[in-house]
Amino acid sequence: DTEVTQTPKHLVMGMTNKKSLKCEQHMGHRAMYWYKQKAKKPPELMFVYSYEKLSINESVPSRFSPECPNSSLLNLHLHALQPEDSALYLCASSQLGTSQETQYFGPGTRLLVL
Amino acid sequence: AQSVTQLDSHVSVSEGTPVLLRCNYSSSYSPSLFWYVQHPNKGLQLLLKYTSAATLVKGINGFEAEFKKSETSFHLTKPSAHMSDAAEYFCVVSDPGSARQLTFGSGTQLTVLP
Repeated sequence: DTEVTQTPKHLVMGMTNKKSLKCEQHMGHRAMYWYKQKAKKPPELMFVYSYEKLSINESVPSRFSPECPNSSLLNLHLHALQPEDSALYLCASSQLGTSQETQYFGPGTRLLVL
Repeated sequence: AQSVTQLDSHVSVSEGTPVLLRCNYSSSYSPSLFWYVQHPNKGLQLLLKYTSAATLVKGINGFEAEFKKSETSFHLTKPSAHMSDAAEYFCVVSDPGSARQLTFGSGTQLTVLP
C-alpha cells in the first residue's frame, strides 16, 4: 500500500484565521514533505522532515508552521495567510536509507484564502 | 546541479494512437528519474521510475520509458492512448546526494481526442 492521506480536501479561510492541514502515512516512511502547487505549475518544496526532525526549510514565510508529532503524521499550521497563498498543498513521504528514494504523494488540500 | 526539460508543454493525440512525452535531464551523478501523472484536482501519482537497473522501465497503465544516457533523455511512451490518460505529466530527477530534493520539469498537458 502506497497511500498518503490528507485532510481536509478543501479549505476556505480568512486572512485572520488559524487552521491546520493534516497528512498521514502508514508505510513506515521516515521522511515527510510539504509542497505548494499553484495552477499549471509543478510542485514547489516547502519543508522536509527526516526522522521527525525538520531537515529542509525552503525559506518559507513564518505564517506556515510545520509540525511532525510522530513518524506517521505531519501537520501544517496556517496563520495570517495572504490571498497569494491560495494553492494546492501536497504532502509526500519516502523511505530513508537508500540513494534511490521514491516520494509518494497524497491527494492534496485545496486552500483558498479570502 | 540537476535540471529537467520537458520539451512539449501540450501534446494532443487521438484515442487509440501512440503517446510520446519528451523529457531531457541534466545531472552530475547517476540520477534517479521519475514520471508522475496528475489528473485534474488530484495529487501526483507515480507512473514509473528509473533507478539504474534496466534502461527500459515499465510502469502502470501501459506506460513505459527508456533511459538513454548518451542522449540524456527519459521519454515516456504508451502504444495506445485512452481517454482516461488525459492529465498533466511531470518528469522528475533526483541526485543520490540530494534524494530528498526533487527537480520537476515544467509539465506536459496531454489531451486525448475522441
